[in-house]
Amino acid sequence: RKEVEQDPGPFNVPEGATVAFNCTYSNSASQSFFWYRQDCRKEPKLLMSVYSSGNEDGRFTAQLNRASQYISLLIRDSKLSDSATYLCVVNKYGQNFVFGPGTRLSVLP
Amino acid sequence: NAGVTQTPKFQVLKTGQSMTLQCAQDMNHEYMSWYRQDPGMGLRLIHYSVGAGITDQGEVPNGYNVSRSTTEDFPLRLLSAAPSQTSVYFCASKTGTGVVEQYFGPGTRLTVT
Repeated sequence: RKEVEQDPGPFNVPEGATVAFNCTYSNSASQSFFWYRQDCRKEPKLLMSVYSSGNEDGRFTAQLNRASQYISLLIRDSKLSDSATYLCVVNKYGQNFVFGPGTRLSVLP
Repeated sequence: NAGVTQTPKFQVLKTGQSMTLQCAQDMNHEYMSWYRQDPGMGLRLIHYSVGAGITDQGEVPNGYNVSRSTTEDFPLRLLSAAPSQTSVYFCASKTGTGVVEQYFGPGTRLTVT
């Protein structure tokens, strides 16, 4: 079993839709969690960190369920510019980052 | 700041050739790492370094060497290229080993024929 798994995608949604991505991780000792965004043929960039209480940044909401070892990302009012691959990233303090395979999102006009 | 830079952007090698992928950062980050990204596999860690003079293996180190003689530079050497090493390679850096954002270079697209 992979250490970090994500919805396989791709997700094709119309502009304005709400879309949710799921991620599960296997290492219960993981301590920090992130969502990265990767545009086609570009490097990954941090979208947002994920905190235990859940956090929001504009149209993006991230949630963490430690008991279920599950992370989610919700995008509201999707824009064409949201089209990208979203990477779930997990880290244990002092250890290296572990990346999920990514979920590709295409927002259609 | 230029951030993390990588050269070359593209490279084609023949099987058996060797080459070095360059990576540099100007943020005085202690931690640097190399990943490869293949379709459906996500980013996999090749080697990493927690400071000058210190390197360690990641998940997929075979066929690659690294060194860290300065804080700024972290080159990745392919010893004898194989078609299985065709991939996109990303270098990344961050401060220390704590819970902080990792910054990526623009990547090197390598094809081995």
